Amino acid sequence: DAGITQSPRHKVTETGTPVTLRCHQTENHRYMYWYRQDPGHGLRLIHYSYGVKDTDKGEVSDGYSVSRSKTEDFLLTLESATSSQTSVYFCAISDGRGRGGNTGELFFGEGSRLTVL
Amino acid sequence: GDSVTQMEGPVTLSEEAFLTINCTYTATGYPSLFWYVQYPGEGLQLLLKATKADDKGSNKGFEATYRKETTSFHLEKGSVQVSDSAVYFCALSASGGYQKVTFGTGTKLQVIP
Repeated sequence: DAGITQSPRHKVTETGTPVTLRCHQTENHRYMYWYRQDPGHGLRLIHYSYGVKDTDKGEVSDGYSVSRSKTEDFLLTLESATSSQTSVYFCAISDGRGRGGNTGELFFGEGSRLTVL
Repeated sequence: GDSVTQMEGPVTLSEEAFLTINCTYTATGYPSLFWYVQYPGEGLQLLLKATKADDKGSNKGFEATYRKETTSFHLEKGSVQVSDSAVYFCALSASGGYQKVTFGTGTKLQVIP
């Protein structure tokens, strides 16, 4: 199994509070991603990173920010949590090998369940 | 933009039944195609993949063939088991550069004894 650790695994917070989710990898993979999973929507990309300090937005980035100061860590921050951000958040990594620089094969963490009251 | 459409679930089958989960895609160029599986309480894991037209991915008795002419990548298994109960996601990764993976909405499979 790929070494991916997400923390916290469960969190309950109140509307308006800041929240940071952490993803830590031990695989030295270049690419890291944050997805959210919601019923009827599958997985949607929030932000991704293609290197230290190199990040870009995904399809549902509003209300979220990310940072990657080290290869192994990718942080997702909700500056002011809202009830619509109640979801399960998954971190994923990929190694960048293969055609086009990325095989597209992702390795996932176990998820972080966030509830915003 | 890229998109993946897969059949709505849930799908309920008896043990040893034949499984098909349909998946079609829209993408420019020549994407790689994937099926991921998510067991209850876990993250997604790769089930199989195909990187070019007419490739067949296979794993654990599951198969899917990359059909460029019909832009499809249907998942099949000849005889399902209770342990196959999970959510299955079709996905694509666009060609060129650092890719983002686009997922379908997932199909929940329940296999009953």
